[in-house]
Amino acid sequence: DAGVTQSPTHLIKTRGQHVTLRCSPISGHKSVSWYQQVLGQGPQFIFQYYEKEERGRGNFPDRFSARQFPNYSSELNVNALLLGDSALYLCASSLWGPPDTEAFFGQGTRLTVV
Amino acid sequence: KQEVTQIPAALSVPEGENLVLNCSFTDSAIYNLQWFRQDPGKGLTSLLLIQSSQREQTSGRLNASLDKSSGRSTLYIAASQPGDSATYLCAVIDGGTSYGKLTFGQGTILTVHP
Repeated sequence: DAGVTQSPTHLIKTRGQHVTLRCSPISGHKSVSWYQQVLGQGPQFIFQYYEKEERGRGNFPDRFSARQFPNYSSELNVNALLLGDSALYLCASSLWGPPDTEAFFGQGTRLTVV
Repeated sequence: KQEVTQIPAALSVPEGENLVLNCSFTDSAIYNLQWFRQDPGKGLTSLLLIQSSQREQTSGRLNASLDKSSGRSTLYIAASQPGDSATYLCAVIDGGTSYGKLTFGQGTILTVHP
């Protein structure tokens, strides 16, 4: 079975641009979460979606938004990119709704803002 | 606010040694704790999940223990191998939350040399 898949794997954007990152959860998983990991630190929680509804939001500005589609895949959108948005963006999927299930992560999207 | 700390920040050991990685968290009312492995520039691989009602979990050469009352977890790696070299992250989900936000430590960078 395929694990969590994220696309693209790498991305270079210019300050002020918009970016969309995509995530497909493990087949049968209904919950998707997004995390930002800057170099040398642990991942920071951005969003969680379950059954297409937002269930949790981390301490990120409104430039960050996300959604979950009927097939449980998800998009993370970031507007007006800043240099500080450069990071590894990780998607995690879980079988059931939060919070009692194991999280499985994708390989991440490396975003570089120049 | 939950804070997770991992000690040591980095560890270098010869092949074959048994080793212990430590994780502490400030709010003991957690739902579960998960240990992950991360290879450079890659996503996270789930190693072990410990529910709050459990004391330990084992998988192969890995054993993780949990002491909720003291806010501590340890990951024991037996007979370390060069392939174990990676960053090890622990993360907790707070009890009483309605969603599965993982709060991560900053990780322990492990190097096992032949």
